[in-house]
Amino acid sequence: NAGVMQNPRHLVRRRGQEARLRCSPMKGHSHVYWYRQLPEEGLKFMVYLQKENIIDESGMPKERFSAEFPKEGPSILRIQQVVRGDSAAYFCASSPKSSGANVLTFGAGSRLTVL
Amino acid sequence: DAKTTQPPSMDCAEGRAANLPCNHSTISGNEYVYWYRQIHSQGPQYIIHGLKNNETNEMASLIITEDRKSSTLILPHATLRDTAVYYCIVRVEKAAGNKLTFGGGTRVLVKP
Repeated sequence: NAGVMQNPRHLVRRRGQEARLRCSPMKGHSHVYWYRQLPEEGLKFMVYLQKENIIDESGMPKERFSAEFPKEGPSILRIQQVVRGDSAAYFCASSPKSSGANVLTFGAGSRLTVL
Repeated sequence: DAKTTQPPSMDCAEGRAANLPCNHSTISGNEYVYWYRQIHSQGPQYIIHGLKNNETNEMASLIITEDRKSSTLILPHATLRDTAVYYCIVRVEKAAGNKLTFGGGTRVLVKP
């Protein structure tokens, strides 16, 4: 019973390139959440998705960042034209349903370094 | 969601119980108390949650006061591997989702 799988675990990009981070939720989970953790800072919510729908993107930067969770395949967090300030750990979490006392299961994270 | 207040850091001795306090004085009736921890550079890990009653699982115990304005997470026998940042989160049930909002947490250092 695999947990939340994130890849790549480490990604290095030069300024101006694109970064794509993937997240496969736990089996049976249809809700995905992305969080960002800047160096020496706390976890900040970015976006919450269900299959083919963005439910809450209140934490997403207005430009360059996008997320999707297609009907088939993993959720993707895409960062276009990366800048040094995008260097961070990006964590994905999943849950089985949207309400009630649900527990979020987190992945190990993807660490983006922008040179 | 109600705001929580935790001490920024605390030390505890290996093998002893660690008692982590959390204040949530503005909690409302349908809000759960969750505890997560983040061991250095790893993803957050769920520990326990509760609504009104005290809860216990294989990792910890959660004691919620009768007025629900505060709670304590108890690690019964702390080990060096319990060194982590512990987050107390209060979350209301919402139809639109159950995102968790992380505060600063308590940085716990277990010492030999």
